[in-house]
Amino acid sequence: ETGVTQSPTHLIKTRGQQVTLRCSSQSGHNTVSWYQQALGQGPQFIFQYYREEENGRGNFPPRFSGLQFPNYSSELNVNALELDDSALYLCASSLEGTRAYEQYFGPGTRLTVT
Amino acid sequence: QKEVEQDPGPLSVPEGAIVSLNCTYSNSAFQYFMWYRQYSRKGPELLMYTYSSGNKEDGRFTAQVDKSSKYISLFIRDSQPSDSATYLCAMSAPGNQFYFGTGTSLTVIP
Repeated sequence: ETGVTQSPTHLIKTRGQQVTLRCSSQSGHNTVSWYQQALGQGPQFIFQYYREEENGRGNFPPRFSGLQFPNYSSELNVNALELDDSALYLCASSLEGTRAYEQYFGPGTRLTVT
Repeated sequence: QKEVEQDPGPLSVPEGAIVSLNCTYSNSAFQYFMWYRQYSRKGPELLMYTYSSGNKEDGRFTAQVDKSSKYISLFIRDSQPSDSATYLCAMSAPGNQFYFGTGTSLTVIP
């Protein structure tokens, strides 16, 4: 069974640029959630995708967008990067239904915006 | 008021001690309660999850939920240096997003 993987591991971008982060779900999982974790903070929910549709969104502006593909892998896109977007971006996969609460996280992508 | 409050620590204990980690919350609709362990530069790892009130035990770990007090705890018995990590509580209402605490940093000294 393959765990959740994310790419790239680290990324440095300039304010105003755009970035795409990628996530491959754990085998068999059809739900992906994305989180932003600032230094010294807990993860903050960005949004969730279930079977290629957005299935819930946290308090993040529209410049944070996502996609889920038929193989359940996912992308997080952030436009017009701001300095405060510097954080660890985590994706987590799960099954639907009662097992939706068993989320398995990837190692994260550390984004630095300068 | 934050949805979930967690004392960030840091907490330092000798090997073999019993560790108690706690979170409080404000949303009475929360029914699912999770504990994650996060090592430095890694993603969170699910330790335990509990539905509604009560206790759940898994090896050296015990999770407790007191919904009347809006208080959850994680106990670690016979703590080991390998338990040194940040512990995050998380909770959710059915069909809703997860809310995480800020995490408690734990160091177990050999």
